[in-house]
Order: sequence, then C-alpha cells, then structure tokens
Amino acid sequence: GENVEQHPSTLSVQEGDSAVIKCTYSDSASNYFPWYKQELGKRPQLIIDIRSNVGEKKDQRIAVTLNKTAKHFSLHITETQPEDSAVYFCAASMYSGGGADGLTFGKGTHLIIQP
Amino acid sequence: SAVISQKPSRDICQRGTSLTIQCQVDSQVTMMFWYRQQPGQSLTLIATANQGSEATYESGFVIDKFPISRPNLTFSTLTVSNMSPEDSSIYLCSVGRDGASTDTQYFGPGTRLTVL
Repeated sequence: GENVEQHPSTLSVQEGDSAVIKCTYSDSASNYFPWYKQELGKRPQLIIDIRSNVGEKKDQRIAVTLNKTAKHFSLHITETQPEDSAVYFCAASMYSGGGADGLTFGKGTHLIIQP
Repeated sequence: SAVISQKPSRDICQRGTSLTIQCQVDSQVTMMFWYRQQPGQSLTLIATANQGSEATYESGFVIDKFPISRPNLTFSTLTVSNMSPEDSSIYLCSVGRDGASTDTQYFGPGTRLTVL
C-alpha cells in the first residue's frame, strides 16, 4: 500500500518568513495530494490540494508543488503569520473515476511561527 | 463543503464495553470514510463505507472490532467493540464530494474516546 513520509516533524520560523514542508509517496498510482491544517482540538481543515496532472497550484500565501517523477510534493507558505501555527498533514490517494480511495497521511509537521 | 456532525463529541468508557459513533451529513454523499487519530499522532484510515455495500477495511482493522453501518447516503455509524485503553483515540468520519472533485475529503469534528 501507499506510504507517505513527511519532513520536518517540527518547523520553527520567524513571522514573515517562508515555511516549506516536504512529503514523498511510494505508490506511483497515487494522483491526488491534499494538505490539511489541524489546530489543537479541532478537525483537520483542507487548505490546498493538487492533482497529478498539475505541477503547481497557488492560493494566496499557500502553494503546493508536485514532482511526479521523484514522487514528492511540497507545501510552501509565504509571509507567515501567527495564525499559521498548527500541525500540517500531507496525504495521498488514488482517484479512479469510480470514487476516491481513503487518504494515506504523513506523520505531520508542527509549524511554529515565532513573533 | 458539506456540513458534517458526529455524536457523541466525546465519551469516557470502561474497558470491555462498546461505543457507537454516529456521523451525519447534510447532503447525500457516496463516499464516507472512518479514520482514527491516536493522541499526538497522524490520521489512519480504518475503513471506507459506501451505501449499499459492505465496508472495506484497511490492514490492521477488522469488522468484528469496528463494525460499520451505512444505511443511507447521509449517515454512517462506527462501533468500537470490546474496548481497551489502546482504543483511546479521536475517531473522525470524512466525506467525499459528489459531482466534481470527488477525491476531495472533508472531516467531521471527531469523537474523542477515552477508555479506562
């Protein structure tokens, strides 16, 4: 089955700087890669996703890049703000047209924004 | 996105007992999933629950321990049976959207289970 590795486990950056979180996946059949943000005591919230027919996607301060050949994808957050502090999870799944598979998650990155 | 609710939001149970968790969605969805998040850990898929078919379980999870029902397109239940302290986790349901972007999943608020 799919295996998703995520690094780093903890990332501390100064407010206003950029943060990058990286994930690799093992199953070349995976074609859907979402990122979730989870604040303490809350549910995971989808912040951005990318499909395998696209190499990059951007939404305001957040961007995701995908390298299918190398089987890795990354989350980039620019101009970080205190409210970006949370645990971020990458995930992978395969959509086959008949319905999505469940998600395989990375272990998470605790992002700390230092004021 | 769909509005997803879960009941109960939290519970404290004695070992050896069972708890049924409900997941309700405000619109009809084909795909529903159940995940477990152990304290301080990531999310692990337990099973996929599609209406009209048996749930599909991931490796390490069995129907006798985690029976699932999916009676219609807006509701599902997960039962945690014969509980032990190792079952203490947050249990989350998620739904996939119907129509475009069916691979996108949204999570319910979770059920925090503590087993004594």
